[in-house]
Amino acid sequence: ILNVEQSPQSLHVQEGDSTNFTCSFPSSNFYALHWYRWETAKSPEALFVMTLNGDEKKKGRISATLNTKEGYSYLYIKGSQPEDSATYLCAFNAGNNRKLIWGLGTSLAVNP
Amino acid sequence: GAVVSQHPSRVICKSGTSVKIECRSLDFQATTMFWYRQFPKKSLMLMATSNEGSKATYEQGVEKDKFLINHASLTLSTLTVTSAHPEDSSFYICSTGRIKQNTEAFFGQGTRLTVV
Repeated sequence: ILNVEQSPQSLHVQEGDSTNFTCSFPSSNFYALHWYRWETAKSPEALFVMTLNGDEKKKGRISATLNTKEGYSYLYIKGSQPEDSATYLCAFNAGNNRKLIWGLGTSLAVNP
Repeated sequence: GAVVSQHPSRVICKSGTSVKIECRSLDFQATTMFWYRQFPKKSLMLMATSNEGSKATYEQGVEKDKFLINHASLTLSTLTVTSAHPEDSSFYICSTGRIKQNTEAFFGQGTRLTVV
């Protein structure tokens, strides 16, 4: 059974703090790792799709790294803002059947 | 990115009735639509994959006669929960995208179904 773990489950930070979350996934049969941002009452929105070991991707204040050999990805948010408050989901694509296996998410609350 | 419009966002129905959920891809040719279900404090779980013009593929443990999927065009996929029971109460969400090509998924807004 493929399992994707995310930690922490929830996080409360102050505006301006930098923060990071972890996504752990099986290190075998890796095909891709997805990160999404899901605000309440909205659709999940893609942040990154990462495929290569050692990949680093950046979008504004948000960046992500990927280690496929040890099976983890980090998502970093620099200088958190209240509008960053959301649940951050990662999903693992094992490639054998091309479907995404999702983690539970990390719920981030940024206090002004 | 593509826009996927999902309706209704919230529905309450009586036990034994059927509910249809629609997902429309507004600016993307959705040859494939993924239907997920999320129970409280659980992760998104894939129920079925619908393909335009052909039968849907259901995940293990998902009853195809209970969750009817129709994907008759490149812009519309529907999920019908037939003879709904309280245990079907959940959050249902659709997504499309070219996952095989390692591109992002585009999601609908989700439907909160409550069966009373």
